[in-house]
Amino acid sequence: ETGVTQSPTHLIKTRGQQVTLRCSSQSGHNTVSWYQQALGQGPQFIFQYYREEENGRGNFPPRFSGLQFPNYSSELNVNALELDDSALYLCASSIYRGEKLFFGSGTQLSVL
Amino acid sequence: GIQVEQSPPDLILQEGANSTLRCNFSDSVNNLQWFHQNPWGQLINLFYIPSGTKQNGRLSATTVATERYSLLYISSSQTTDSGVYFCAAQETSGSRLTFGEGTQLTVNP
Repeated sequence: ETGVTQSPTHLIKTRGQQVTLRCSSQSGHNTVSWYQQALGQGPQFIFQYYREEENGRGNFPPRFSGLQFPNYSSELNVNALELDDSALYLCASSIYRGEKLFFGSGTQLSVL
Repeated sequence: GIQVEQSPPDLILQEGANSTLRCNFSDSVNNLQWFHQNPWGQLINLFYIPSGTKQNGRLSATTVATERYSLLYISSSQTTDSGVYFCAAQETSGSRLTFGEGTQLTVNP
């Protein structure tokens, strides 16, 4: 059903390292959102990009940063990884801001 | 920001039973969506329903925006319905979709 793809599917890093997660939006979608989901909790909003500009940010520190490219693919970068950053990172695209979200299958990040 | 509360937190059913999941939200919304997260972590969009009623097969949803709640109905449940159901709402002044804590549904054969 969803055309949103994320890579990699799993990743193991050590504390202090940096990581880049990638997302390819569904065709025709110009808005991408990133979420962090800790075990047993609902997804938490990190930020949203609309036409390559940040369009809203959740309660995450500046070491979480993102990019959206002209083809509407996206990256999530996390610097200075902490143990609490271990989570499932989900990317979602929509045809426009505030419309139906389609999620990728996520990247499971483990920080040791 | 908006608060989203879901109930019940856990639900166990026998195959064939019906169920109702509830989502309450604390502010006016212009965007309300229901998702199903399967055991492999994939979030599937079930409904985009800021107001009114929609049906899709055995599932239906109703949002009463003026009273700040939404309901998800599952009829004739199947084992494949198992997983976590999330409600997510976006307040009219914001850009973020805020998720509830989910309802963990287990359907036994």
